[in-house]
Amino acid sequence: NAGVTQTPKFRVLKTGQSMTLLCAQDMNHEYMYWYRQDPGMGLRLIHYSVGEGTTAKGEVPDGYNVSRLKKQNFLLGLESAAPSQTSVYFCASSYSRGDRFFGPGTRLTVL
Amino acid sequence: ELKVEQNPLFLSMQEGKNYTIYCNYSTTSDRLYWYRQDPGKSLESLFVLLSNGAVKQEGRLMASLDTKARLSTLHITAAVHDLSATYFCAVGTWREYGNKLVFGAGTILRVKS
Repeated sequence: NAGVTQTPKFRVLKTGQSMTLLCAQDMNHEYMYWYRQDPGMGLRLIHYSVGEGTTAKGEVPDGYNVSRLKKQNFLLGLESAAPSQTSVYFCASSYSRGDRFFGPGTRLTVL
Repeated sequence: ELKVEQNPLFLSMQEGKNYTIYCNYSTTSDRLYWYRQDPGKSLESLFVLLSNGAVKQEGRLMASLDTKARLSTLHITAAVHDLSATYFCAVGTWREYGNKLVFGAGTILRVKS
């Protein structure tokens, strides 16, 4: 099992560009999450999904959109990147009340 | 609003010494997690604590939960260099937050030889 995978691993964008981060899991988990990690702030929840076709806002959703068209995939989109979105992005998945399994992370720099 | 506070935020300790990381949270919780993160890596689950008085141990690490005090501790016994990492606690309340967790800021642990 691959667990949780994320693509790409690294990306550099210019302000105003768009991109999509892909998260995939092969554990048949219902719940999937997108977090961002910034120095000294722990992980903050951006958006999450409790099942295929559903999404919900987390703590810091502004500037991001998500989609969960298939159970195993959770996409995070940035429509118009800003320097404030420079961060490390982690995807995670879980059963409904279970522990989270985290992906390896995507390091995004917005110039 | 659920707030999670860890201290210390940075801990430098000698090999062989003992120390404790504290995780305080602001509202009632029914689950608390401890994670480890190595530099440039993802988060690895260490412990899940689900009830008052819960204690779990793995190697040189022991986690405990006091729900009345809203406090969890991660105790390090006879530290070794391999324990150098960042440690996060994360807290959730199923009734109020569903499956969302709130993370502490993390404690950077450096064990010196």
